[in-house]
Amino acid sequence: EAGVAQSPRYKIIEKRQSVAFWCNPISGHATLYWYQQILGQGPKLLIQFQNNGVVDDSQLPKDRFSAERLKGVDSTLKIQPAKLEDSAVYLCASSLHFGLAKNIQYFGAGTRLSVL
Amino acid sequence: QQQVKQSPQSLIVQKGGISIINCAYENTAFDYFPWYQQFPGKGPALLIAIRPDVSEKKEGRFTISFNKSAKQFSLHIMDSQPGDSATYFCAGMNSGGSNYKLTFGKGTLLTVNP
Repeated sequence: EAGVAQSPRYKIIEKRQSVAFWCNPISGHATLYWYQQILGQGPKLLIQFQNNGVVDDSQLPKDRFSAERLKGVDSTLKIQPAKLEDSAVYLCASSLHFGLAKNIQYFGAGTRLSVL
Repeated sequence: QQQVKQSPQSLIVQKGGISIINCAYENTAFDYFPWYQQFPGKGPALLIAIRPDVSEKKEGRFTISFNKSAKQFSLHIMDSQPGDSATYFCAGMNSGGSNYKLTFGKGTLLTVNP
């Protein structure tokens, strides 16, 4: 079974530029998550989709971050304009079911973003 | 507000020793506590998880101990091996909530020396 695919693996941009990350979840997984992992910290949930609907985006800085999952499969996360403090690893995860008993989250390898 | 506090920040153990990582949570609504293991350049992977209706769960060399009254739980790695060297994250979840959101600790970098 293929895992969660993310691209690119690395991205370096100047502040105020825009950037986009792509995620393809495990086939059949209805729930998709985007996390931000700053160096030395645990992952922080940015947004959670159930199929193509947003379940939780309470920690997404909506003035600069946006995300979509138009067909309920793959997803993109965009930052525009980027700030220095956005430097982090952006992790995508997916899970098969929404209920707790089967809600194991599988993570991709992440995209490491450096904002200069 | 850091809802899950994890310690130590880093840990060095000799091969064959016991590694112990501790976590404390603040949100009493949490009722599911997983541990994730992350190797460099990889995403976190679920290692073991516990619900507060039991005080201990063991899977191979990995054991979670849970103290509900103290709002603390810990991961014990018995007979630690160099291949266990990774960053470990504890987390908490409110399964009665609407989104099953995981709140992670800051992580512990474990190094097992050969």
